[in-house]
Amino acid sequence: AQSVTQLGSHVSVSEGALVLLRCNYSSSVPPYLFWYVQYPNQGLQLLLKYTTGATLVKGINGFEAEFKKSETSFHLTKPSAHMSDAAEYFCAVSEGSNYQLIWGAGTKLIIKP
Amino acid sequence: NAGVTQTPKFQVLKTGQSMTLQCAQDMNHEYMSWYRQDPGMGLRLIHYSVGAGITDQGEVPNGYNVSRSTTEDFPLRLLSAAPSQTSVYFCASSKRTDSNQPQHFGDGTRLSIL
Repeated sequence: AQSVTQLGSHVSVSEGALVLLRCNYSSSVPPYLFWYVQYPNQGLQLLLKYTTGATLVKGINGFEAEFKKSETSFHLTKPSAHMSDAAEYFCAVSEGSNYQLIWGAGTKLIIKP
Repeated sequence: NAGVTQTPKFQVLKTGQSMTLQCAQDMNHEYMSWYRQDPGMGLRLIHYSVGAGITDQGEVPNGYNVSRSTTEDFPLRLLSAAPSQTSVYFCASSKRTDSNQPQHFGDGTRLSIL
């Protein structure tokens, strides 16, 4: 069965440091890949998505992610963390005509001043 | 354009009570779904609908019912509340044109069952 693994339930970085949130998936077919962000007491909002084409995808708030088929990964990065980036981040995958998303467990990003 | 609206935002119930969580979207989206979010478990799909009159079960459907009489509304009913149903519930919607369409989420309903 399809699964999504996010390494690290909590990731802590200093303000201004590189942010790297890891996501690996299992899929036998090329998937659609998504990153969502959830700020405290809010719903999830789309950060970026990969469907086809360029494997480096740029999203909102300076985030980007690279689809690496050989590694079945879709890691999220941001060159310089800001205090406002503190939130929980979810990786999700969908396949073909199935509209359902398979979700990772989430990674809470903590920004140290 | 309100997007996805969930009511209520907070609710406390006693074991055995029933209630309906409301979800409405104004984007004319065909696909709607209900998730529950529990710490360390991500989002788990309860029920979903690909259009008016069509619903199906997700990963954790037991104890919940849904109906979809209109494109806009997708209420979730708890039949007899149990403490295990204490959770944050999210409704989401998306266009049905392709599964690469992002889902739009409401702000959630925080439900406590005593």
